[in-house]
Amino acid sequence: SQKIEQNSEALNIQEGKTATLTCNYTNYSPAYLQWYRQDPGRGPVFLLLIRENEKEKRKERLKVTFDTTLKQSLFHITASQPADSATYLCALDLPTGFQKLVFGTGTRLLVSP
Amino acid sequence: NAGVMQNPRHLVRRRGQEARLRCSPMKGHSHVYWYRQLPEEGLKFMVYLQKENIIDESGMPKERFSAEFPKEGPSILRIQQVVRGDSAAYFCASSPPVEARNNEQFFGPGTRLTVL
Repeated sequence: SQKIEQNSEALNIQEGKTATLTCNYTNYSPAYLQWYRQDPGRGPVFLLLIRENEKEKRKERLKVTFDTTLKQSLFHITASQPADSATYLCALDLPTGFQKLVFGTGTRLLVSP
Repeated sequence: NAGVMQNPRHLVRRRGQEARLRCSPMKGHSHVYWYRQLPEEGLKFMVYLQKENIIDESGMPKERFSAEFPKEGPSILRIQQVVRGDSAAYFCASSPPVEARNNEQFFGPGTRLTVL
């Protein structure tokens, strides 16, 4: 069966440390993988997109890796801040002819001052 | 440029009533997606529409649910004869009319439907 797995337990880290979130998938062959941030009571906000032929993508304090052999993406936030506390969703963009996103359940990140 | 707008933000219905959820995409966007998010679950794709066309409704229940995106006006997700299991947050997203498939989707704030 097809699955996207993100760590369902909240990740607690201290301010200034690097947060690393994992997204694993099985039985999918995505063309792209996207990461979104969702705050309570709000809609997701796009953060980064990485293509299947890219190993790594960076944007300011964010870094995403994509390993299609391992079927895994890692999402890093360096020098984390309390304002980074949110739920982070990974989404697979399937090669269906239109942009069909399949979302993981998300990992909640809590950054303590 | 206003973002994606959804209304109402909160909707309470009794079992058997109808729920109508509206979504106005960002200006210039002609692609609309509807998702449902149940507590502790991820966003689930329901339907993808372009103006006056349903492109993919594979994630939408066959009965009681329908969606439209008319030439003028917002996209509507309609749920007839609601049941308690329909209680969820419903999100709409839009994207611009370009061929590139690496577009992000812009999400609205969601409509939280509660069925009593």
